[in-house]
Amino acid sequence: RKEVEQDPGPFNVPEGATVAFNCTYSNSASQSFFWYRQDCRKEPKLLMSVYSSGNEDGRFTAQLNRASQYISLLIRDSKLSDSATYLCVVNMGTNTGFQKLVFGTGTRLLVSP
Amino acid sequence: ETGVTQTPRHLVMGMTNKKSLKCEQHLGHNAMYWYKQSAKKPLELMFVYSLEERVENNSVPSRFSPECPNSSHLFLHLHTLQPEDSALYLCASSLEAQKGGEKLFFGSGTQLSVL
Repeated sequence: RKEVEQDPGPFNVPEGATVAFNCTYSNSASQSFFWYRQDCRKEPKLLMSVYSSGNEDGRFTAQLNRASQYISLLIRDSKLSDSATYLCVVNMGTNTGFQKLVFGTGTRLLVSP
Repeated sequence: ETGVTQTPRHLVMGMTNKKSLKCEQHLGHNAMYWYKQSAKKPLELMFVYSLEERVENNSVPSRFSPECPNSSHLFLHLHTLQPEDSALYLCASSLEAQKGGEKLFFGSGTQLSVL
């Protein structure tokens, strides 16, 4: 089983649609979780952290389900500029106490007019 | 823009060449990282440095040799690479490297092609 698993997509949605991505992780001891966004041929950038209580930032909502070991990202009212690859990232930690961020392969979103 | 600068942006090298990738961060961070991103694969952590000390080597072949002379600079020395090493190499930094969910700031990456 992959450490972090995502549906690669692409998800093709029209502007204004609501779209949701899920991501599963294998290590139940993982402590912190993130969604990064990566545009084509660009570097990844942090979109939002994922907290146990869930969190919302404008049109974006992230949730964590520890029991089932998955995190989700919901995007409401999709914009053309939301087209990108969304990377699920899980901090697995190392035996030496340093963080080890493990990335999923990403889910590609295409928003069309 | 992110405070992490990588050079060169693109690099083409033969299998017998020796080259180096450079990364510089202007954020006052104490931790720096090298990641590899191949097509259709997730980002793979290669090395982690905390306060110039290597704290993680993720089973990377010896033809990749990192160097961290100070907390602001990170190099990746390349020699006798293979075509399968062609990928996007991303440098990142964070405030600390301790297990705490630190946000990573990435450079723009070096697109490497090995012929």
